[in-house]
Amino acid sequence: NAGVTQTPKFQVLKTGQSMTLQCAQDMNHNSMYWYRQDPGMGLRLIYYSASEGTTDKGEVPNGYNVSRLNKREFSLRLESAAPSQTSVYFCAATSGRRETQYFGPGTRLLVL
Amino acid sequence: SQKIEQNSEALNIQEGKTATLTCNYTNYSPAYLQWYRQDPGRGPVFLLLIRENEKEKRKERLKVTFDTTLKQSLFHITASQPADSATYLCALPLSGNTGKLIFGQGTTLQVKP
Repeated sequence: NAGVTQTPKFQVLKTGQSMTLQCAQDMNHNSMYWYRQDPGMGLRLIYYSASEGTTDKGEVPNGYNVSRLNKREFSLRLESAAPSQTSVYFCAATSGRRETQYFGPGTRLLVL
Repeated sequence: SQKIEQNSEALNIQEGKTATLTCNYTNYSPAYLQWYRQDPGRGPVFLLLIRENEKEKRKERLKVTFDTTLKQSLFHITASQPADSATYLCALPLSGNTGKLIFGQGTTLQVKP
């Protein structure tokens, strides 16, 4: 039982490149979330998915797209990376009551 | 807009003492409040949830209080150990049953032996 997994662990991109961050959970949770964490800013919600087939914007969605491929997987795509997107990205999933969030280990992204 | 504030300055205490971390919020009446622990290079890990009708909640050496009048939660670690050194985040749910949370910036605790 791995919980929430994320790939890759670390990535360096050049400005304008695209990439997809992968997230998968084996806890059978319906809701999944993508956050970014920056020094002094705390965790900020980018997108979330209440259930398979649905997605909605969070606090900072600009420059990102998401796909809820199935119940297990929720991916985050940067179409044209910018230095301002340098951050640590966390994926999370919630239990049935949508209270406790279970986080993945994070993806550290550096955009040059 | 809803706002959460945690002391951004690191808290340094001696092993064996009680650590007390503060979480204040404004423009909000949350149904519950959560505390998470985050170690360097890792994702946050859930510790405790306290509901608006609960004054206090305990789990082993951890104790959380929730004062809805003051709009404040206190997080205590008794008999602190160096292994308790980490960043502690408080989080509140946004309205609606979406599971969306707003997080504080976190307070870093350093327990010295």
